[in-house]
Amino acid sequence: DTGVSQDPRHKITKRGQNVTFRCDPISEHNRLYWYRQTLGQGPEFLTYFQNEAQLEKSRLLSDRFSAERPKGSFSTLEIQRTEQGDSAMYLCASSLNGGADTQYFGPGTRLTVL
Amino acid sequence: GENVEQHPSTLSVQEGDSAVIKCTYSDSASNYFPWYKQELGKGPQLIIDIRSNVGEKKDQRIAVTLNKTAKHFSLHITETQPEDSAVYFCAARVFSKLTFGTGTRLQVTL
Repeated sequence: DTGVSQDPRHKITKRGQNVTFRCDPISEHNRLYWYRQTLGQGPEFLTYFQNEAQLEKSRLLSDRFSAERPKGSFSTLEIQRTEQGDSAMYLCASSLNGGADTQYFGPGTRLTVL
Repeated sequence: GENVEQHPSTLSVQEGDSAVIKCTYSDSASNYFPWYKQELGKGPQLIIDIRSNVGEKKDQRIAVTLNKTAKHFSLHITETQPEDSAVYFCAARVFSKLTFGTGTRLQVTL
């Protein structure tokens, strides 16, 4: 098992464009989480899935953000009409509910909005 | 919601010395407390964790203590090495959501 993977690792976009990130969790992990981390801060929870169901969303997740996990495996996070304030590291984590439920993080996608 | 405070924000120690990082949390329902190490350009890596029914846990040079009554927990690193230099985050979990502290930048000097 190679751990949680995220793609792309870096994304530079212009304000107003849409972007989509992908996360592949550790195989057989049924929970998948998205966090956002800005410079000098700890990760902040955005949303999480158990299998394909999105169970919780943070108020940080505005209407411009949408996340999906259609088949309970990989997940995508889309940001529409990006703003400069969206510039951050977007982290994905996965865990196995029913076990220790320890969250393991991927390397993140760094988004820069010009 | 849960609030986690972490101190100090920066910590410089000489190689071989010990380092201690402290965190407090606000929600008594939190029952799981992981510590992550983050190196530049990488995602957080779990280094140790503790559950609310345990007061102390040790793994080689790393130990974590938890005081549920006072709602604080601490990370102890002994015999620090240059490769311990990184940013360390504490976190507290209520149900499935982790709330992180603001991080401690640890620098181990030769």
